Amino acid sequence: EAQVTQNPRYLITVTGKKLTVTCSQNMNHEYMSWYRQDPGLGLRQIYYSMNVEVTDKGDVPEGYKVSRKEKRNFPLILESPSPNQTSLYFCASSPQGKNEKLFFGSGTQLSVL
Amino acid sequence: GNSVTQMEGPVTLSEEAFLTINCTYTATGYPSLFWYVQYPGEGLQLLLKATKADDKGSNKGFEATYRKETTSFHLEKGSVQVSDSAVYFCGQRGGSEKLVFGKGTKLTVNP
Repeated sequence: EAQVTQNPRYLITVTGKKLTVTCSQNMNHEYMSWYRQDPGLGLRQIYYSMNVEVTDKGDVPEGYKVSRKEKRNFPLILESPSPNQTSLYFCASSPQGKNEKLFFGSGTQLSVL
Repeated sequence: GNSVTQMEGPVTLSEEAFLTINCTYTATGYPSLFWYVQYPGEGLQLLLKATKADDKGSNKGFEATYRKETTSFHLEKGSVQVSDSAVYFCGQRGGSEKLVFGKGTKLTVNP
């Protein structure tokens, strides 16, 4: 089944404790992206990647890192999480091209205490 | 930069009512336009899309037409059901391939 898989689904952590949210897709997509969803703010892009070893900042990249060493994986790293990073996070992927739809993962609900 | 503005929610309707959710965009060039739906506890899934002016996207009774002259892509459905209760996001995707979303509109349909 074609899908984008994020883990974990839920995560509670404390300020400053490094964490990684994994994202994997099995559709051989070139494009991958991370979004955060917050009430009243909708979905905002954190980082995106057009292909392996190519990553770029989205609208809200501060406090986050990503890597794209393999085509299928696009982990989101929070080196020193803070409470304002408490949010619902979505990974998405697509083939290249503006006409292509994004496929979304099921989301990761992160709480930073 | 490119942006999307959609009507504020929440929207509450009775079953079989007519639905319109307004969406307008600003863009350089000619983006593709999308409507995504998010059911409770789930990720977003594509509802419909249109890739050029005057195209009409349709799916599950929902429709939206790409209007270049008014830079709009309003979502409509003639008769909503309880199962349509969800959050709806309008989005555009341009040459940079970034998909920019509106803030979302929560729809509740009562029996």
